[in-house]
Amino acid sequence: AQSVTQLGSHVSVSEGALVLLRCNYSSSVPPYLFWYVQYPNQGLQLLLKYTTGATLVKGINGFEAEFKKSETSFHLTKPSAHMSDAAEYFCAVSDIGGSYIPTFGRGTSLIVHP
Amino acid sequence: NAGVTQTPKFQVLKTGQSMTLQCAQDMNHNSMYWYRQDPGMGLRLIYYSASEGTTDKGEVPNGYNVSRLNKREFSLRLESAAPSQTSVYFCASSETVSNQPQHFGDGTRLSIL
Repeated sequence: AQSVTQLGSHVSVSEGALVLLRCNYSSSVPPYLFWYVQYPNQGLQLLLKYTTGATLVKGINGFEAEFKKSETSFHLTKPSAHMSDAAEYFCAVSDIGGSYIPTFGRGTSLIVHP
Repeated sequence: NAGVTQTPKFQVLKTGQSMTLQCAQDMNHNSMYWYRQDPGMGLRLIYYSASEGTTDKGEVPNGYNVSRLNKREFSLRLESAAPSQTSVYFCASSETVSNQPQHFGDGTRLSIL
């Protein structure tokens, strides 16, 4: 069975500061990994995904994430936060060869201060 | 291109009433999903339909039924609403179950009094 842990329900940064949102997963087989963003009163939008190949994945809006198998992690980063990045972020994992349907983490709310 | 469309956007029900949430996608996707989102709980899968004509239970199916009406439409029904079903409901679709990611609608905010 797969599971996802997002460390920190809220992360607060200043505009221009580094954004780091943490995600650890457990999976019995090689996983697919995803980060989604949710703006207020909207559905989830895909930021980036890892399936196979390069472990550093670049997404939209300047975000990237690195798959570290040894640490079972897929942390999301952005070098410089913008006010428009304030949103809820969800990490998700799915099992290759299993059900494939992603299991979502509980989400991290990113707060950006001016 | 609308993507995934959910109706209604908001609804208030009384305990015991029934309701159907509608979802339609225009991306020619085979697979569709229903989730509920509760504060601090992330998204939990209620039901999914891998392809037209099939439906399967997810993590929290009790109190719900679904119908895959055709390839485009996937509805969620609450037969006898309970306050514990107050939530935001999201419909999503993907090309196939094995070909993620999913595309989401904007949600239906449902309150049950």
